[in-house]
Amino acid sequence: NAGVTQTPKFRVLKTGQSMTLLCAQDMNHEYMYWYRQDPGMGLRLIHYSVGEGTTAKGEVPDGYNVSRLKKQNFLLGLESAAPSQTSVYFCASSALGQGYGYTFGSGTRLTVV
Amino acid sequence: QQQVKQSPQSLIVQKGGISIINCAYENTAFDYFPWYQQFPGKGPALLIAIRPDVSEKKEGRFTISFNKSAKQFSLHIMDSQPGDSATYFCAASNSGGSNYKLTFGKGTLLTVNP
Repeated sequence: NAGVTQTPKFRVLKTGQSMTLLCAQDMNHEYMYWYRQDPGMGLRLIHYSVGEGTTAKGEVPDGYNVSRLKKQNFLLGLESAAPSQTSVYFCASSALGQGYGYTFGSGTRLTVV
Repeated sequence: QQQVKQSPQSLIVQKGGISIINCAYENTAFDYFPWYQQFPGKGPALLIAIRPDVSEKKEGRFTISFNKSAKQFSLHIMDSQPGDSATYFCAASNSGGSNYKLTFGKGTLLTVNP
């Protein structure tokens, strides 16, 4: 039982490059979330999804896009990476009807140079 | 607008001591208050949670105290151990509404010295 799996674990990008972070969960959870974690800033919500085919903006959505084509996958895209997007990105999922009980992945450390 | 304020930002405790982390919230619609523990290089993991119908919840050495009138809740770690050294996040949500999101505090880095 893998829970929430994030790929890749590490990545270095040059400014202006694009990339996609993949999150996969095997718990049949309805809700999925992308957070970024920066020193002193805690966990900030980028985008989230309440079900397959639906997405919504969180607290810091600018510069990111997401897609939830399959229930188990939630993709986070950076179209034109900027140094300000250097961060650790966490994906999380939770079951239907709960605003709690998040299961987090182990994170993706992204550096934009 | 920061809806969940967490303090202190960092905390150093001696082994065997009590660690106390405090959080305050603004949204009176919040009705679920979890705490997450995060070790370096790992994702946060649910530690303990409370709903406002009780004032205290205890699980082993970890206790949440909740004060609804003051809109505050706190995590107490009794007999703190070096293995408890981690970052702790409080959070809150309105589980009964359409807001399916947790709002997190900024975290507390706990160091327990041997």
